[in-house]
Amino acid sequence: GENVEQHPSTLSVQEGDSAVIKCTYSDSASNYFPWYKQELGKRPQLIIDIRSNVGEKKDQRIAVTLNKTAKHFSLHITETQPEDSAVYFCAARDSGGGADGLTFGKGTHLIIQP
Amino acid sequence: DAGVIQSPRHEVTEMGQEVTLRCKPISGHDYLFWYRQTMMRGLELLIYFNNNVPIDDSGMPEDRFSAKMPNASFSTLKIQPSEPRDSAVYFCASSRGGDNEQFFGPGTRLTVL
Repeated sequence: GENVEQHPSTLSVQEGDSAVIKCTYSDSASNYFPWYKQELGKRPQLIIDIRSNVGEKKDQRIAVTLNKTAKHFSLHITETQPEDSAVYFCAARDSGGGADGLTFGKGTHLIIQP
Repeated sequence: DAGVIQSPRHEVTEMGQEVTLRCKPISGHDYLFWYRQTMMRGLELLIYFNNNVPIDDSGMPEDRFSAKMPNASFSTLKIQPSEPRDSAVYFCASSRGGDNEQFFGPGTRLTVL
């Protein structure tokens, strides 16, 4: 099955700086890569996603890049703000055998220092 | 739309007791997923349904866990008997199609003493 590795586990940046979180996946058949944000005690919520036919996608301060050859994808947050503090999870959808469930990375605790 | 609804929000039980978690997906969504979240193992897919039919239950940890979806608007996850290591937050999620955004419910925090 799919295996998703996520780094770093904790990331502390100064407010206004950029943050980058990286993930690798193992299954070359995976074709959908969402990123979820989870605040303390809350549910995961989708912030951006990318499909395998696209190399980059941007939504205001958030961007995601995908390198299918290397099997890695990254989340970029620019001009970080205090409300960006949360745990971020990457995920991959293993399309092999018709599977539709997401395999998640272990998460990155992003801390925005004022 | 009320989003995905889960009940109860919190459950405290004693080892050996039966626990039933409930989920109501977003109306019109044909996929329903059950996930478990712990500090040690992160977010894990347990089982998912398509049009009320279980498709993949390979993530269900053992026979003590079972899930049903009797109709398009209701699913249950049952643990019998429960053990302390089952303590976790259990999330239900739903999506329209298997390749689209999954919307998570608020979760059920389960504590087994």
